[in-house]
Amino acid sequence: AQTVTQSQPEMSVQEAETVTLSCTYDTSESDYYLFWYKQPPSRQMILVIRQEAYKQQNATENRFSVNFQKAAKSFSLKISDSQLGDAAMYFCALCTSGTYKYIFGTGTRLKVLA
Amino acid sequence: DTEVTQTPKHLVMGMTNKKSLKCEQHMGHRAMYWYKQKAKKPPELMFVYSYEKLSINESVPSRFSPECPNSSLLNLHLHALQPEDSALYLCASSQVYTGGAGYTFGSGTRLTVV
Repeated sequence: AQTVTQSQPEMSVQEAETVTLSCTYDTSESDYYLFWYKQPPSRQMILVIRQEAYKQQNATENRFSVNFQKAAKSFSLKISDSQLGDAAMYFCALCTSGTYKYIFGTGTRLKVLA
Repeated sequence: DTEVTQTPKHLVMGMTNKKSLKCEQHMGHRAMYWYKQKAKKPPELMFVYSYEKLSINESVPSRFSPECPNSSLLNLHLHALQPEDSALYLCASSQVYTGGAGYTFGSGTRLTVV
């Protein structure tokens, strides 16, 4: 069975500071994708960053970067220079190559303090 | 156009009513999805359409009836719902019939069954 675990239900960060959200996963597949999605109060799930398991290089998107540790099955999200607009629920998700289904973690609510 | 548009944004319906949710995208995506999300929980997959054909039904009760009239439009017909069906219903689309490319989500329809 595939699982995704987010052990931090809630995190807080001061504006302009850096925060790291944790995600661990388990799968027996060798070819898969990992995602971080952001869901602000507006409700829309927004793709923040995507990582292909066969790529060793960590994905980055502007202020967002991941630390992908394949052997440890860890996929953490680092947000640099946090902004008030980063406040949201963040979901980590796993998808096996060739399938349609995402396995979501339970989410981490991020609060950004002014 | 890089959006998935869902209407209505809010819907209140009685248990004997029939209503429909609508989802539209003009990104040329050939896979479309319906997800259900309860408060403070991750989204749960309901249906997958690929090339306008129903590919996956995640054992959803028959009171939910999906329809894909064309490659841009996805409907979810609701009939005889129960109060426990109250949730946020999210539509998503993707470029290919796998999750690896990442989804584009709509803002959802907040459904309340009374």
